[in-house]
Amino acid sequence: DTGVSQDPRHKITKRGQNVTFRCDPISEHNRLYWYRQTLGQGPEFLTYFQNEAQLEKSRLLSDRFSAERPKGSFSTLEIQRTEQGDSAMYLCASSGPGWGYTFGSGTRLTVV
Amino acid sequence: EDKVVQSPLSLVVHEGDTVTLNCSYEVTNFRSLLWYKQEKKAPTFLFMLTSSGIEKKSGRLSSILDKKELFSILNITATQTGDSAVYLCAVEYGNKLVFGAGTILRVKS
Repeated sequence: DTGVSQDPRHKITKRGQNVTFRCDPISEHNRLYWYRQTLGQGPEFLTYFQNEAQLEKSRLLSDRFSAERPKGSFSTLEIQRTEQGDSAMYLCASSGPGWGYTFGSGTRLTVV
Repeated sequence: EDKVVQSPLSLVVHEGDTVTLNCSYEVTNFRSLLWYKQEKKAPTFLFMLTSSGIEKKSGRLSSILDKKELFSILNITATQTGDSAVYLCAVEYGNKLVFGAGTILRVKS
């Protein structure tokens, strides 16, 4: 499969717990993005990597959120001390020169 | 503030109908406008538009951009039940996409 892979597909966690999601982009793509989508809304930008460098973060992104992309390959998104408002679909996308944006199937987070 | 507005919010049609979905935007440093189809999972790419007045077509779907009036339309002709989905419009600027809330299309058989 040469698409964008995300793991896990679903995550249910108790409020206050930490969660980590993984994204494996298309191997030829040097750019990686995280978006969050809540019910009835379009995806909202969270952060962007070019290779291993995190170049942009949304000003709306809480400091409980952190993302990494070691070695410019896969990326992880961690949410610390989860809150019910963090419940959403977390989408990863990748792109490269001459390529459009390709989205993964997302990780659906439910905080109870 | 950069924003993308889609209309209508939802639409119910019968198979065979033609639909037009609208997307207007206010975005500085516009680079491109993209349309996606989302069926419960990942948004799947439909079109990328960068130039005004040039229609892009893929089967029964077509789209056009007006950079002067800051809007785009997505047309679907001879709709089928498999077209039922959320259609998302996004504008690319800088290193990110700004999405509209989407149009929910339901095609009844």
